Amino acid sequence: NFMLTQPHSVSESPGKTVTISCTRSSGSVASNYVQWYQQRPGSSPTTVIYEDTQRPSGVPDRFSGSIDSSSNSASLTISGLKTEDEADYYCQSYGSSAWVFGGGTKLTVL
Amino acid sequence: EVQLVQSGAEVKKPGESLKISCKGSAYTFSSNWIAWVRQMPGKGLEWMGIIYPGDSDTRYSPSFQGQVTISADRSISAAYLQWSSLKASDTAKYYCATLTTVTSPFDYWGQGTLVTVSS
Repeated sequence: NFMLTQPHSVSESPGKTVTISCTRSSGSVASNYVQWYQQRPGSSPTTVIYEDTQRPSGVPDRFSGSIDSSSNSASLTISGLKTEDEADYYCQSYGSSAWVFGGGTKLTVL
Repeated sequence: EVQLVQSGAEVKKPGESLKISCKGSAYTFSSNWIAWVRQMPGKGLEWMGIIYPGDSDTRYSPSFQGQVTISADRSISAAYLQWSSLKASDTAKYYCATLTTVTSPFDYWGQGTLVTVSS
């Protein structure tokens, strides 16, 4: 099956914009939706982006998702960073009866 | 409000068996998939397997096939994850989560069950 590769960590200052990538190893990233989850320390994950670009109700519009077929990757962009955005972020997709998570990216807002 | 409530933390010895539970409420239990996700200490999320309580269709990650058993009891809206012989490497937090369809996100998550396996 395929793998989803994320950077281990990213850091940025409050108010800035950060983008986290998620590269699919095989098969097209456009063939199945990509979801993004936020996990704060000690908490269960929550969805911040679903179906590549959709934001659940309650998630600020500072969070946006996209896919790029040329690089076979998905991206999560967070603008106007706040200290409360500091968390682990995971991408996830489905294919061939398997649900795959990326390795996770630790976002530090400093 | 949709809720998934998982059973409490467990401390077990290697070789012991264990069954943990995930009880759903405020939604149609039989019509939504329930997945199990492992998170080892300080590590990322790993999909273990999934069950559709409506017909007990169950699928496992190749990494967990034969290592665990997933089941569900529609009559009490509960899903289970069980081990017949625990190893120290099974020490982790285990989450259950619902999905509406196979391509939908993991919509709702339980609070997690911490399993510690130590001699």
